[in-house]
Amino acid sequence: EAGVVQSPRYKIIEKKQPVAFWCNPISGHNTLYWYLQNLGQGPELLIRYENEEAVDDSQLPKDRFSAERLKGVDSTLKIQPAELGDSAVYLCASSLDPGLGTQYFGPGTRLTVL
Amino acid sequence: GESVGLHLPTLSVQEGDNSIINCAYSNSASDYFIWYKQESGKGPQFIIDIRSNMDKRQGQRVTVLLNKTVKHLSLQIAATQPGDSAVYFCAERTGNQFYFGTGTSLTVIP
Repeated sequence: EAGVVQSPRYKIIEKKQPVAFWCNPISGHNTLYWYLQNLGQGPELLIRYENEEAVDDSQLPKDRFSAERLKGVDSTLKIQPAELGDSAVYLCASSLDPGLGTQYFGPGTRLTVL
Repeated sequence: GESVGLHLPTLSVQEGDNSIINCAYSNSASDYFIWYKQESGKGPQFIIDIRSNMDKRQGQRVTVLLNKTVKHLSLQIAATQPGDSAVYFCAERTGNQFYFGTGTSLTVIP
């Protein structure tokens, strides 16, 4: 069984440019998460989806970040415009249980904003 | 926000020895805890979990202990191997949220 797939693995952009990350969760997992992870820190939740619905986006900086999960499968996280402080690893995770069961993480996208 | 902290940011152990990684959590209402292992360039990988109605759970070479009285969680790795070198995170669930600790970097010395 394939795990959570993310692309790209690495992205380098200049500040003020837009960037998008893509995630394909484990087949059958209805719950999808986007996390931000700074160096040496644990993941911090940005948004959680149950199928197509964003059920928790309280930590998502909505002035520049947006996310979508059309058809309740793949998801895209976008930053526009990117700032220097956005440099981090963006992790996608999915879980089978709708009630916040064990999460399975993808490899992440390492973003560097110059 | 929640505070999930680890007592030691780094830990070095000799190959074959047992490792103990500790984690303190702050919310007594947390009902579920997970330990994750994260290798360089990879996402966190589930190791073992425990619910708040338990105080011990064993897996293959790993044991998680939960002390709700002092809000402390530990991960014990038996016969530590070089492949165990990674950063280990504890995570607690409170309500609908998971909160991750800072992480402990485990280095296994051959």
